Amino acid sequence: DIQMTQSPSSLSASVGDRVTITCRASQGISFYLAWFQQKPGKAPKSLLYSASSLESGVPSRFSGSGSGTDFTLTITSLQPEDFATYYCQQYNLSPPTFGQGTKVEIK
Amino acid sequence: QLQLQESGPGLVKPSETLSLTCIVSGDSFSSSDYYWGWIRQPPGKGPEWIGSIYYGGSTFYNPSLMSRVTISLDTSRNQFSLKLSSVTAADTAKYYCARAHYRTSLFFRHWGQGTLVAVSS
Repeated sequence: DIQMTQSPSSLSASVGDRVTITCRASQGISFYLAWFQQKPGKAPKSLLYSASSLESGVPSRFSGSGSGTDFTLTITSLQPEDFATYYCQQYNLSPPTFGQGTKVEIK
Repeated sequence: QLQLQESGPGLVKPSETLSLTCIVSGDSFSSSDYYWGWIRQPPGKGPEWIGSIYYGGSTFYNPSLMSRVTISLDTSRNQFSLKLSSVTAADTAKYYCARAHYRTSLFFRHWGQGTLVAVSS
């Protein structure tokens, strides 16, 4: 299985901050990477797919980059509704696998 | 608008079989465009893909669970089901049903709200 490693596992930030989360795959996955946002008690929500394509309705302050093994999710100007846990997921090879998550907390 | 709704017992005894159903509404269930999958998330951990089924009935499963998993389709009722046998406490998780487009069959854009299943005697 392809292992997905996210860093950091948690971070504290303030409203308006720029936040960067990284995700590393244990082998190359081209651009077959998605980012999900999950709030407590809710299902994960897709934010980006194909590493950098924004889902319809997702604010433009979210962006993604990378290919191969190293990927980044950036949130420019963090908003109160962005405090959540973020997961990356590779879908290049079966089984699809998720990172362990990055919890973004209020500083 | 697509909706997926999981249903099933919230408590299963060790060694028994966990059975869940996902009812699909708001979009074509019999379309060849989609895969239907099950994903679970243990408390405090990341999601884990369990397996998927295509509209024609072909299935593929996570090798780590393959020996215990069966996913089936009932197009007449717009639903698909999960059976996980010989459960242990390690199978305690929130179980989600989800949909993927056939072109990116391992990427689940749409998820149900999930149902929590505890394994305990």
